Amino acid sequence: AQKITQTQPGMFVQEKEAVTLDCTYDTSDQSYGLFWYKQPSSGEMIFLIYQGSYDEQNATEGRYSLNFQKARKSANLVISASQLGDSAMYFCAMRFDRGSTLGRLYFGRGTQLTVWP
Amino acid sequence: NAGVMQNPRHLVRRRGQEARLRCSPMKGHSHVYWYRQLPEEGLKFMVYLQKENIIDESGMPKERFSAEFPKEGPSILRIQQVVRGDSAAYFCASSRTGASGRSPDTQYFGPGTRLTVL
Repeated sequence: AQKITQTQPGMFVQEKEAVTLDCTYDTSDQSYGLFWYKQPSSGEMIFLIYQGSYDEQNATEGRYSLNFQKARKSANLVISASQLGDSAMYFCAMRFDRGSTLGRLYFGRGTQLTVWP
Repeated sequence: NAGVMQNPRHLVRRRGQEARLRCSPMKGHSHVYWYRQLPEEGLKFMVYLQKENIIDESGMPKERFSAEFPKEGPSILRIQQVVRGDSAAYFCASSRTGASGRSPDTQYFGPGTRLTVL
């Protein structure tokens, strides 16, 4: 069963504007972590931001913030002041902190973000 | 501090040959993970290893695929008798043990190995 859903195959944003990339997840576990990774056209996977399920405050890392709404099971990535270099594929991922699948990441299918001048 | 290293970056094999993919984790990281990415898809978990131990291999195909993380040296993902469907990008990630000691920390990825099977 799909645990991570990214409903936006592609998003476009103008430079310097903010953009929100959607991510919803499906679990009945209480202890888990949510991650966002960036994959530019060169192919590497770059860690951006992490949110623990028990964290009361939304995570922020520079221009990236995670809009975590636990009751709605959503973990949207907000990129402020978009730059041309933000153009890339963005993946949302989840990790369970207990159980037999401890450690593995479940990835969504990704959202291709294009920033235009 | 060097990141996760993978080699080769590109690997071309003919059907029936063997592919060996190497991964050196970040310094201080004892957890290694392998993922496969098919075109237009997200990453799919294959296997999770710690030094000399396979922790979770439930994402590995039952045949032809194996992984190891020896006491000394890099982690190796080995694919025997490759077929065209094995063509993909294979990513390795590594992490430390988390602060709680119960679960691994954030995973950092290597640049990937692009395997092409002719």
